[in-house]
Amino acid sequence: EAGVAQSPRYKIIEKRQSVAFWCNPISGHATLYWYQQILGQGPKLLIQFQNNGVVDDSQLPKDRFSAERLKGVDSTLKIQPAKLEDSAVYLCASSVQGLLNEQFFGPGTRLTVL
Amino acid sequence: QKEVEQNSGPLSVPEGAIASLNCTYSDRGSQSFFWYRQYSGKSPELIMSIYSNGDKEDGRFTAQLNKASQYVSLLIRDSQPSDSATYLCAVTGSAGSNYQLIWGAGTKLIIKP
Repeated sequence: EAGVAQSPRYKIIEKRQSVAFWCNPISGHATLYWYQQILGQGPKLLIQFQNNGVVDDSQLPKDRFSAERLKGVDSTLKIQPAKLEDSAVYLCASSVQGLLNEQFFGPGTRLTVL
Repeated sequence: QKEVEQNSGPLSVPEGAIASLNCTYSDRGSQSFFWYRQYSGKSPELIMSIYSNGDKEDGRFTAQLNKASQYVSLLIRDSQPSDSATYLCAVTGSAGSNYQLIWGAGTKLIIKP
């Protein structure tokens, strides 16, 4: 069974530029999550999708971040314009909907904003 | 504010010994508990899930859950240098939380040969 796919793996941009990340979840997983992880911290949830609907985006900085999951499968996360503090690893995870909620992560995208 | 607390470490354990990692959580309604291993520069990898009080064993790993004390632990027997990593504890919120995970900051484990 293929795991969660993400691209790109690394990205370096200047502040105020835009960037987009792509995620393809495990086949059959209805729930998709985008997390931001800063070194030395646990993952911080940015947005949770159930199929193609947003369940929770309360911690997404909506003035600069956007995300979509149009057909209930793959998803994109965009930052525009980027700030220095956006430098982090962006993780995508997926799970089968339900209480057990075992989440499986993709390899992540390491973003550096200069 | 619902929280998950872990000692940041580093926890240094000799090779072959038992490593004991601990986690406490604040939400009494939490129902699912997970341990993830994260190697430096890699993404978190699920290694144990536990849902009821008691012990759950999988190979060299044992997860222990005590809901009354709001405490979950991970024991690693016969520790190997390859077990050196950061271990993240994650707990689902109570009903109505959309089954989101509340994450600890992780404990860095170092296995000394």
